[in-house]
Amino acid sequence: DVKVTQSSRYLVKRTGEKVFLECVQDMDHENMFWYRQDPGLGLRLIYFSYDVKMKEKGDIPEGYSVSREKKERFSLILESASTNQTSMYLCASSFWGVEANQPQHFGDGTRLSIL
Amino acid sequence: AQSVSQHNHHVILSEAASLELGCNYSYGGTVNLFWYVQYPGQHLQLLLKYFSGDPLVKGIKGFEAEFIKSKFSFNLRKPSVQWSDTAEYFCAVNANNQGGKLIFGQGTELSVKP
Repeated sequence: DVKVTQSSRYLVKRTGEKVFLECVQDMDHENMFWYRQDPGLGLRLIYFSYDVKMKEKGDIPEGYSVSREKKERFSLILESASTNQTSMYLCASSFWGVEANQPQHFGDGTRLSIL
Repeated sequence: AQSVSQHNHHVILSEAASLELGCNYSYGGTVNLFWYVQYPGQHLQLLLKYFSGDPLVKGIKGFEAEFIKSKFSFNLRKPSVQWSDTAEYFCAVNANNQGGKLIFGQGTELSVKP
């Protein structure tokens, strides 16, 4: 069974702090994704990565950066946390497929509160 | 820009009632379609998917969905819901020229009363 593990279920940080959210998958997936989930807005893609050291902006990358130094690990970084980044953050991974139809597997999420 | 629209924000049903959740997308090319479910306190998991072939797809737990290309729709159905179906349901679309990216709808919260 695919396992996507996010380092924290709950996290509380202060405005202006640099915040790191970590995600590890154990299925040798090429693709990894970071989303934020907000009520009434569904999931919105922040960043994704198709391979080590590769990253692509999603729909809402402002205020975030990512790092993928190893295939199994994908980190989301809030450079200077702000209250509007309070949200549930979801990590996902999938195989790369020629027709891009591989389903994504999700972690349990990190509920981040910025005070 | 591509978008996915789920028409119902919150649906409340009694057990044994039939369910249909609407999903429409805006993209004119070839698409892959997914429904995900998030049970309370759990991670999102795949309910069913459509890539090609028979437009009526069956998923886990008695769910099915029908792809109607002319209507750009992929509605989720279940003939008789159970209390354990209480969850949030997300429709998602991937276009074949967009790599592995998914565009998600806003989600529909389903509450089933025992």
